[in-house]
Amino acid sequence: DTGVSQDPRHKITKRGQNVTFRCDPISEHNRLYWYRQTLGQGPEFLTYFQNEAQLEKSRLLSDRFSAERPKGSFSTLEIQRTEQGDSAMYLCASSLGLAGASFTGELFFGEGSRLTVL
Amino acid sequence: SQQGEEDPQALSIQEGENATMNCSYKTSINNLQWYRQNSGRGLVHLILIRSNEREKHSGRLRVTLDTSKKSSSLLITASRAADTASYFCATDHRTGGTSYGKLTFGQGTILTVHP
Repeated sequence: DTGVSQDPRHKITKRGQNVTFRCDPISEHNRLYWYRQTLGQGPEFLTYFQNEAQLEKSRLLSDRFSAERPKGSFSTLEIQRTEQGDSAMYLCASSLGLAGASFTGELFFGEGSRLTVL
Repeated sequence: SQQGEEDPQALSIQEGENATMNCSYKTSINNLQWYRQNSGRGLVHLILIRSNEREKHSGRLRVTLDTSKKSSSLLITASRAADTASYFCATDHRTGGTSYGKLTFGQGTILTVHP
């Protein structure tokens, strides 16, 4: 069990550029989440996948943001035309849950990908 | 917007003392969880308490939940310098359907334990 891994850990980009983050969840976990955390704040929910299906998206996820989980394993989060307000830590988490059964467990978080937009 | 509010925002204690952090929320919950985050790192799950539970223990951690007051507290006993971190409460508000782990986090309490 190697835990949730995220890549890259740090990304510095210029405003207007596109960036992509990758998340590899714990291998048997079918649920995957993206959260965003700004300095001094708690994480905020962005989106959630059950297997390859994206089941919920927060209003925080503007049309410049797109997340995919094409084969129900790893996921990518792309931000197009980055803005300075996108600077944050992007956290990925995973969990194991049965379809139709209520989730009553913990989320396993990765170390995060820190984005700085200049 | 974040529903949870945590109190205090920062707490500084000596090794061996107990640390108590409080969390309040606004709407009904399925469960409440506490997470720990070391500076610049990811979050680590500490403990989960369900809405029908009032108290839970795990090692040096004790969590209480008062749904009538919509509040929870985390007590860390006999603190160690290694407990220095930010602590977040997170609430799962999905009560009418299948909960899937969408959590609402508070702003956190920064705990500093001096050796």
